[in-house]
Amino acid sequence: ETGVTQTPRHLVMGMTNKKSLKCEQHLGHNAMYWYKQSAKKPLELMFVYSLEERVENNSVPSRFSPECPNSSHLFLHLHTLQPEDSALYLCASSQGVRGGGTGELFFGEGSRLTVL
Amino acid sequence: GQNIDQPTEMTATEGAIVQINCTYQTSGFNGLFWYQQHAGEAPTFLSYNVLDGLEEKGRFSSFLSRSKGYSYLLLKELQMKDSASYLCAVMDSNYQLIWGAGTKLIIKP
Repeated sequence: ETGVTQTPRHLVMGMTNKKSLKCEQHLGHNAMYWYKQSAKKPLELMFVYSLEERVENNSVPSRFSPECPNSSHLFLHLHTLQPEDSALYLCASSQGVRGGGTGELFFGEGSRLTVL
Repeated sequence: GQNIDQPTEMTATEGAIVQINCTYQTSGFNGLFWYQQHAGEAPTFLSYNVLDGLEEKGRFSSFLSRSKGYSYLLLKELQMKDSASYLCAVMDSNYQLIWGAGTKLIIKP
């Protein structure tokens, strides 16, 4: 099993659809993250979960809804998205958060989202 | 505000050496990271600097000067597979990662 796995790798959805992105980590880490990556822009942190508790929510619109049922799984539920939400959504995990670990992030390969 | 600056794109020749610079202004400092991201793939960790100086790891080295708010990633003996984006990130006083927009490195034969 690879370290961090994301599905689907590609997703096309209309603005009225509901879909979910899934992330699974096999590294035994206790922190998981959702990032948004747009072309030529810095990575934008969306959500942070530590020990299944959301510890950070960076003013993300409510049309993005995270869920962390256990320390190995993270979901991002998508609802009534806008075309500007089209981007690569990266999941990451780490051992420790906020200086509790080495800080090194392990990323999945991302879910490429296109909103029509 | 907090800011990380790095060049948007660089071109280098196979077998040569290239230096990718990163300058930062952040609220505090708890380390600087370099990640490599090949097109369509996950970013992968390259290096971490928290003290001034040069850290060498094979063909890649990373340098940090905290007083100057400056780092560089040095790639030697460039190979075609080094064509990728290189992301600089700084951990601030709240242990939040502040990211640069990345430098796309193109290697030509």
